[in-house]
Amino acid sequence: QQQVKQSPQSLIVQKGGISIINCAYENTAFDYFPWYQQFPGKGPALLIAIRPDVSEKKEGRFTISFNKSAKQFSLHIMDSQPGDSATYFCAASDGGTSYGKLTFGQGTILTVHP
Amino acid sequence: DGGITQSPKYLFRKEGQNVTLSCEQNLNHDAMYWYRQDPGQGLRLIYYSQIVNDFQKGDIAEGYSVSREKKESFPLTVTSAQKNPTAFYLCAGGFNQPQHFGDGTRLSIL
Repeated sequence: QQQVKQSPQSLIVQKGGISIINCAYENTAFDYFPWYQQFPGKGPALLIAIRPDVSEKKEGRFTISFNKSAKQFSLHIMDSQPGDSATYFCAASDGGTSYGKLTFGQGTILTVHP
Repeated sequence: DGGITQSPKYLFRKEGQNVTLSCEQNLNHDAMYWYRQDPGQGLRLIYYSQIVNDFQKGDIAEGYSVSREKKESFPLTVTSAQKNPTAFYLCAGGFNQPQHFGDGTRLSIL
């Protein structure tokens, strides 16, 4: 019940295209859903996060869409650039009882071709 | 510069040896975390600490130990009891969520 399932495992997109990464969860107590971006040899960096009281959050070219009834959320990267090539992780936590214990998805390796 | 500093970047462990990974932060974060990352897998929580002198086991704590004697420091010891220690170890800090990560320590077995 603690799992977060992420897909696809890898994604290749042309420059200027839209990258879409999906995550699904089972635990209905999850109330915080961040996305992280990780470059090789570096630690993840918090990209954008959403709470279940909104269905969408946008920051620049990055948008999180959240579907509470389906227990799914996704990251959309508009106008994808070669510099966006990285591994992306979704995560979820139940802040109330787990105090920041994030459950991570397996990661998606994004490659944006010039 | 503010941030989470991990050292060393690379570490090698001999059989039967304990090794300690350093994590220091100057962001004044209350909470600190240790994660393990294996190829093709997400991050898995080893230990976390919400406050000085207190820490809790994560999902894969066996074979690891931590201390939190100062707010700024949260070292992780990989003991000889951890039979598969080869991985990328990440330390994170935040006020109530892992907000900032260090650049990791890659541990290998000699």
